[in-house]
Amino acid sequence: NAGVTQTPKFQVLKTGQSMTLQCAQDMNHNSMYWYRQDPGMGLRLIYYSASEGTTDKGEVPNGYNVSRLNKREFSLRLESAAPSQTSVYFCASTRHQKGGEKLFFGSGTQLSVL
Amino acid sequence: AQSVTQPDIHITVSEGASLELRCNYSYGATPYLFWYVQSPGQGLQLLLKYFSGDTLVQGIKGFEAEFKRSQSSFNLRKPSVHWSDAAEYFCAVGEGDTGRRALTFGSGTRLQVQP
Repeated sequence: NAGVTQTPKFQVLKTGQSMTLQCAQDMNHNSMYWYRQDPGMGLRLIYYSASEGTTDKGEVPNGYNVSRLNKREFSLRLESAAPSQTSVYFCASTRHQKGGEKLFFGSGTQLSVL
Repeated sequence: AQSVTQPDIHITVSEGASLELRCNYSYGATPYLFWYVQSPGQGLQLLLKYFSGDTLVQGIKGFEAEFKRSQSSFNLRKPSVHWSDAAEYFCAVGEGDTGRRALTFGSGTRLQVQP
């Protein structure tokens, strides 16, 4: 059982380049999330999708866009990468958008923007 | 809005010693509280969670946590640490069932285990 799969695992971009981080889950979860992890700051929510067809901004959405392609897939796009977006990105999913639900995480994408 | 504080950035303990990682939260109502662990190069894995009821919660890998409403704390403990426990630990708080947001995480505590 794959769980939450993120691609790529590593990526190096130049300032101004664009890229899309892919995330797919095979647990039939309704809600999906994108977090970024920076040293000393924990995980901060970028965007989330409570259910198929909906997306909402999280704590740090600037510079990012998302697409909930279907129930399984939730992608994160950087249109014009900046060095401040150097981070580790995690996708996560839960059965429902409720405060008590357990999050299942992917293994992360390490992104460097030069 | 809820928030989480983990006051210890880095903790070193000897193998076999006891461990306590601190977590303080801010939330108006009764929160959902979680501890996650992140091994190097991996995503986060749930250790335990508290919703209601017994304030002492047991988790995986021999960990436990105690919810203390009066202190707004949810500290993680383990009686005897193993070398494999070296990792980063995150406390998180979730809103109730009416909440629209995902979990809010603390900044993490990195645990180092000495032989």
